[in-house]
Amino acid sequence: AQSVTQPDIHITVSEGASLELRCNYSYGATPYLFWYVQSPGQGLQLLLKYFSGDTLVQGIKGFEAEFKRSQSSFNLRKPSVHWSDAAEYFCAVGAGNNNDMRFGAGTRLTVKP
Amino acid sequence: NAGVTQTPKFRVLKTGQSMTLLCAQDMNHEYMYWYRQDPGMGLRLIHYSVGEGTTAKGEVPDGYNVSRLKKQNFLLGLESAAPSQTSVYFCASSYSTGAGGTQYFGPGTRLLVL
Repeated sequence: AQSVTQPDIHITVSEGASLELRCNYSYGATPYLFWYVQSPGQGLQLLLKYFSGDTLVQGIKGFEAEFKRSQSSFNLRKPSVHWSDAAEYFCAVGAGNNNDMRFGAGTRLTVKP
Repeated sequence: NAGVTQTPKFRVLKTGQSMTLLCAQDMNHEYMYWYRQDPGMGLRLIHYSVGEGTTAKGEVPDGYNVSRLKKQNFLLGLESAAPSQTSVYFCASSYSTGAGGTQYFGPGTRLLVL
């Protein structure tokens, strides 16, 4: 089965600084890749997804992610972080269908004023 | 348009008690899912349904049962709750799987089993 690793449990960045959250996956074929964000006490909201085509995908709230097959990575980036971006971020990988989508353990983002 | 709703938001159970969590979606989605979220472990799939009247096991199905009698509802049951089932439970739905299968999540149900 596919799997996801998010190496960073917690990241702190200053407001206005750039952000990169790491995600590595394990899957034999081309995966379906997702980034979700979870604000405290809330459900998960989709930020962006990759299925095929252009390896740089744009999402909501100014986020983007790049699929790198050679590195089995799908890192999330944002050029300038806002205080409202403080949340937990989950990377997920789907196989041939989404009935078995696997989530990473999450990265908690703290934004310093 | 409410999207995915979950009832209740919070519940405390004693070991051995039973309860049912309700998930409802108004997007006419075929696929529905139940996940549990535990600290440091992300979300893990408990059971899912690919359509009305169908259910299937996910990654961690033991101790749970589900039913999908109506397309818009997906129920998760705990017949005899255990402290290990203390968790936050999320329901999700999607229109399809694969490339079209973006999952939409409910706000979660926090369950504490004493």
